[in-house]
Amino acid sequence: QLQLQESGPGLVKPSETLSLTCTVSGGSINSKFYYWVWVRQAPEKGLEWIGHISSTGATYSNPSLKSRVSISVDTSENQFSLKLSSVTAADTAVYYCARSRRFCSNGVCYIPPAGFDVWGQGTTVTVSS
Amino acid sequence: QSVLTQPPSASGTPGQRVTISCSGSISNIGSNAVNWYQQLPGAAPKLLIYANNQRPSGVPDRFSGSKSGTSASLAISGLQSEDEAEYYCATWDDSLHGLYVFGTGTKVTVL
Repeated sequence: QLQLQESGPGLVKPSETLSLTCTVSGGSINSKFYYWVWVRQAPEKGLEWIGHISSTGATYSNPSLKSRVSISVDTSENQFSLKLSSVTAADTAVYYCARSRRFCSNGVCYIPPAGFDVWGQGTTVTVSS
Repeated sequence: QSVLTQPPSASGTPGQRVTISCSGSISNIGSNAVNWYQQLPGAAPKLLIYANNQRPSGVPDRFSGSKSGTSASLAISGLQSEDEAEYYCATWDDSLHGLYVFGTGTKVTVL
């Protein structure tokens, strides 16, 4: 059974870089049929897609965060990571990693994610001095 | 603010049918498949419906999804107390360079 677990500092100072890692167990991250996703949820707010990455390293990021977001994958460690630079209090949130299916047909996989079907439990990150 | 609009709340008594709407535009719902997520209090979201109307393994058939034009709907039939949760629609939006958007969320209360 595939499991995802977020890890990283729970407290980050303003203007610094938030760094989180998602460790995938029970399955391989190295599959063209899935994306690996970051989603966050600010306190008492809705869900916000941060971005996702394929096992080959192709990334897609939320335009509202794009200049500050970096997502990478380490297939040898079965992990993927998020870096968010120049954080402010507005970046305080629960950060989730997730796996997304991809639409694939006749050997071609399409860009849009097809549903985030496995989620980590989430990790709370607070931005404060 | 989200480009997918949902009613903030919905409610019903046990056994009733509840429907949640999700309104978008041609660049999102009108062009891409819709997913629905359920988020129980204090928990991570769970995929409820993908590709407009498909249920992942383990999701009860009380949950059903549909899409028409630039709107989508989630129906919960035979409402149960454990269905009390926040529900989000979501889809890909083809504007800009593409982004995945979640709806504003609907809190379902079982009376």
